[in-house]
Amino acid sequence: NAGVTQTPKFQVLKTGQSMTLQCAQDMNHEYMSWYRQDPGMGLRLIHYSVGAGITDQGEVPNGYNVSRSTTEDFPLRLLSAAPSQTSVYFCASRRTGGLNQPQHFGDGTRLSIL
Amino acid sequence: EDQVTQSPEALRLQEGESSSLNCSYTVSGLRGLFWYRQDPGKGPEFLFTLYSAGEEKEKERLKATLTKKESFLHITAPKPEDSATYLCAVQGASYDKVIFGPGTSLSVIP
Repeated sequence: NAGVTQTPKFQVLKTGQSMTLQCAQDMNHEYMSWYRQDPGMGLRLIHYSVGAGITDQGEVPNGYNVSRSTTEDFPLRLLSAAPSQTSVYFCASRRTGGLNQPQHFGDGTRLSIL
Repeated sequence: EDQVTQSPEALRLQEGESSSLNCSYTVSGLRGLFWYRQDPGKGPEFLFTLYSAGEEKEKERLKATLTKKESFLHITAPKPEDSATYLCAVQGASYDKVIFGPGTSLSVIP
């Protein structure tokens, strides 16, 4: 079972460059989300989507864009990378409806901005 | 504002030495409290969901409990393979957003 797949696993960028972090899930989950994880701060929600064509901002959305054209894919775009965006990025998905469902996480993308 | 804190920040136990991790939360209309385990270089792995005060759930050496203001993750007779970071998260009235705590890093020494 693939679950949630994130690519790339590691990336180094220069300040001002743009890039897209890929996330795909094969569980037919409606809800998908992006988090960043920084030491001592826990996981912080960047953007989320409750279904194809629907996205919304989380706690720390500035500097990031998302789109959801299919149920399976939820890419995260860095528009102009800044050193403050150095972090580990996690994508997650879950079912919606019924009792609250836990999220399933990918193994992360480790991003360094020089 | 919804908030989650966890204590201690780090915990070092001898193999077989039982202990508890704490998760304190402030949330409007708790819909669910989640515990996850995270190994180095990996994404969080789901352990438990608790929905209401008084609820308890168990899995092997782990037991999670919930009150109106906090949750505890009890670890009984831990083994080295229990070493990981344990994350607590809450889902409140804002159904689409889950707030995570900073985690407790657990080390179990043989």
